Amino acid sequence: QKEVEQNSGPLSVPEGAIASLNCTYSDRGSQSFFWYRQYSGKSPELIMFIYSNGDKEDGRFTAQLNKASQYVSLLIRDSQPSDSATYLCAVGGQNFVFGPGTRLSVLP
Amino acid sequence: EAGVAQSPRYKIIEKRQSVAFWCNPISGHATLYWYQQILGQGPKLLIQFQNNGVVDDSQLPKDRFSAERLKGVDSTLKIQPAKLEDSAVYLCASSPLAGGPRNTGELFFGEGSRLTVL
Repeated sequence: QKEVEQNSGPLSVPEGAIASLNCTYSDRGSQSFFWYRQYSGKSPELIMFIYSNGDKEDGRFTAQLNKASQYVSLLIRDSQPSDSATYLCAVGGQNFVFGPGTRLSVLP
Repeated sequence: EAGVAQSPRYKIIEKRQSVAFWCNPISGHATLYWYQQILGQGPKLLIQFQNNGVVDDSQLPKDRFSAERLKGVDSTLKIQPAKLEDSAVYLCASSPLAGGPRNTGELFFGEGSRLTVL
């Protein structure tokens, strides 16, 4: 069973700063990686997916993948209080395995 | 387009009782997932269906949990008898695609069913 690890946090950043969220995974053969955001009491929603090594940018979000190090990260630029949530890293394939999530708090 | 429907939203039962959760995925979605999310943890996959068939149920506690997907559409997850540690949110999700290495990962989640076992 593949495993996905994340720092549980909480990670606190001031408004306008860059938030950096990290994730490692155990299955070296994994090819697809996802970041989901989950607000308290709500269901997860997809933010980004990445398949290839390197960076992928979408607005204020950048996903970074390093398959050799089995490492995925999510950068949030110009963090806003509305970004305060739990961020879940997930590894795809035949099924989806989620990490434990990192709780982010953006302070006004 | 209607989203993933789940019911009931909340359920409180005593240990050793039984409970059933229902999920209606988005129309036409081939793959249906049931996840268990304990407070403060990430979702844990319990079972994955593709159409009528089970793709993965390796983490389903089969001595007490059962699930079925009728005619490849609706699904029911049952717990009997419930234990205190089953207190969690049970999330149903669906995807239009079959699992695979290039699946886009767009799982559409329902609002979840929150179970409290006393």
